[in-house]
Amino acid sequence: DAKTTQPPSMDCAEGRAANLPCNHSTISGNEYVYWYRQIHSQGPQYIIHGLKNNETNEMASLIITEDRKSSTLILPHATLRDTAVYYCIVRPPRGGAQKLVFGQGTRLTINP
Amino acid sequence: DGGITQSPKYLFRKEGQNVTLSCEQNLNHDAMYWYRQDPGQGLRLIYYSQIVNDFQKGDIAEGYSVSREKKESFPLTVTSAQKNPTAFYLCASSSLAGSGDTQYFGPGTRLTVL
Repeated sequence: DAKTTQPPSMDCAEGRAANLPCNHSTISGNEYVYWYRQIHSQGPQYIIHGLKNNETNEMASLIITEDRKSSTLILPHATLRDTAVYYCIVRPPRGGAQKLVFGQGTRLTINP
Repeated sequence: DGGITQSPKYLFRKEGQNVTLSCEQNLNHDAMYWYRQDPGQGLRLIYYSQIVNDFQKGDIAEGYSVSREKKESFPLTVTSAQKNPTAFYLCASSSLAGSGDTQYFGPGTRLTVL
């Protein structure tokens, strides 16, 4: 019951920007967009989240379209260590504990 | 060093045995969660807890049990009633106060039933 659609795989050259798209056309006005990544055999790592405005932190930037139906995660200078499965998740605002629904994600491969 | 720890990293169990997976956090988070991940699949919620001495079933609670005697600890027991327990188990925690309700995950425990 994932509410997002992502391409199954992408490739990017080391040192270039990796742009990962996510469609969430049924997102509600108060739902957040979260991004996690999972490196093989490790726990998911939180990257960034946003509601309406674009966000940036030390790991990545998140660009959300004005209609909020899609977003793009940008890794500005990809390294080999960024190879992972990236998950885009839509979730309601805070209101008690909530489960995260992970879809299939995008398998990003950074090539030397 | 703040974070979530899970132990052991790898666990082998004979069929018919109960086994307990440890999850500890020193982030002062209120809520804790257990998820299961099967190869090539997304995460599925087993149990979660918002406060000490209280917990709720997730989507796949059958064959599992939990306790929350301390805020920092949320152990998961995989019982012999769980028909297909071989999987990657992930613990997470989140604050329920202020604006910080992001879930953070531990490194996981890979359980294999022999």
